[in-house]
Amino acid sequence: QVQLVESGGGVVQPGRSLRLSCAASGFTFRTYGMHWVRQAPGKGLEWVAVIWYDGSEKYYADSVKGRFTISRDNAKNTLYLQMNSLRADDTALYYCAGAEFGGGNWFDPWGQGTLVTVSS
Amino acid sequence: EIVMTQSPATLSVSPGERATLSCRASQSVSSNVAWYQQKPGQAPRLLIYGASTRATGIPARFSGSGSGTEFSLTISSLQSEDFAVYYCQQYNNWPPWTFGQGTKVDVK
Repeated sequence: QVQLVESGGGVVQPGRSLRLSCAASGFTFRTYGMHWVRQAPGKGLEWVAVIWYDGSEKYYADSVKGRFTISRDNAKNTLYLQMNSLRADDTALYYCAGAEFGGGNWFDPWGQGTLVTVSS
Repeated sequence: EIVMTQSPATLSVSPGERATLSCRASQSVSSNVAWYQQKPGQAPRLLIYGASTRATGIPARFSGSGSGTEFSLTISSLQSEDFAVYYCQQYNNWPPWTFGQGTKVDVK
């Protein structure tokens, strides 16, 4: 079945780094744009970053630009998010989500999320 | 950046009743709006895309309408499993892709 499984979350001190992964299965990963979306505790959904199906385009939210890097390995059906210079307000549940037809459309499927807590 | 504003913040409805959720865009987004359902402890689930097309496996009691700046999601007869938070999202002008702040549908 279609599945996205995130990993790599945890507790990290402010200013440190973390790399999230998202393993895809059950669909043609290489034809989907892939997004990261986060949700702070008790809050709504915030788009973070996207990478086009072939890696040709990447976009970031202003809140993470210059600190986060999105990448993918289509041979391994895996999406990544390198997060540097982490801040307390980066604390959130991070979801990966697919967008068919390249990347610019609605988000489906979604993973179950991995929790990132930035705290000293 | 396009701002999506949902109303009301909370909607209290009895099982079997009809629920209508609203979403307004700060500028026209054509019909490029999706709706998601999120239950506690779960990931969001796609309900509607293209403002009115139900995603695969979504029951017919869910319907979406609207274009331009005004959109709505209607649940024709609320079932117990429909009590959740609902988000609208625009994917017309990006980046960024933007979500509304959510409407919580709870039991009256």
